[in-house]
Amino acid sequence: ETGVTQTPRHLVMGMTNKKSLKCEQHLGHNAMYWYKQSAKKPLELMFVYSLEERVENNSVPSRFSPECPNSSHLFLHLHTLQPEDSALYLCASSQDSRGYEQYFGPGTRLTVT
Amino acid sequence: GESVGLHLPTLSVQEGDNSIINCAYSNSASDYFIWYKQESGKGPQFIIDIRSNMDKRQGQRVTVLLNKTVKHLSLQIAATQPGDSAVYFCAENRGSSNDYKLSFGAGTTVTVRA
Repeated sequence: ETGVTQTPRHLVMGMTNKKSLKCEQHLGHNAMYWYKQSAKKPLELMFVYSLEERVENNSVPSRFSPECPNSSHLFLHLHTLQPEDSALYLCASSQDSRGYEQYFGPGTRLTVT
Repeated sequence: GESVGLHLPTLSVQEGDNSIINCAYSNSASDYFIWYKQESGKGPQFIIDIRSNMDKRQGQRVTVLLNKTVKHLSLQIAATQPGDSAVYFCAENRGSSNDYKLSFGAGTTVTVRA
């Protein structure tokens, strides 16, 4: 257990669906991150939140919409996704937003049909 | 393009032997490096980190070596065990106060032979 939980662990959705991924950290950290992990590719940073403020949007399509209501919770809202968006979506947190020592959740395996 | 990479995508190790996983980086401004282990079905797990003012750091059964001259990072695992089978990633932080990014390599898959 890393202190970062993600739900659901698996999600299958059609291209017209709307769904949300949830992340919660129990570490008292001030920064949270969303990453995309595709097969055979390095982790891709999507979004960074520091003290509930978005500080990085790494050229992510608008069909991905993050939300950070407080420093412990992070959501990723999904709508009209494409099959190529199928991947493992990982949430991470760190003490501050400098990117050091990030702790990851188990991920949500997303399949878009 | 990628500034962090691993020399080999796969590594097969006999149980009990030492493992060495290598990583090269290209950004001389990077001041922080970190190794993660990712087992099947799980998220990356922090193993050990090192800052650029050090050249060696030891943890439990693991040692990270940093050679800034050739921009090379390695992870050594002593007495490799079956539970060490996983994908290992190195990552760097580029040392900018405005840069929140850890840049990750593609990973080395380590398989431990019994």
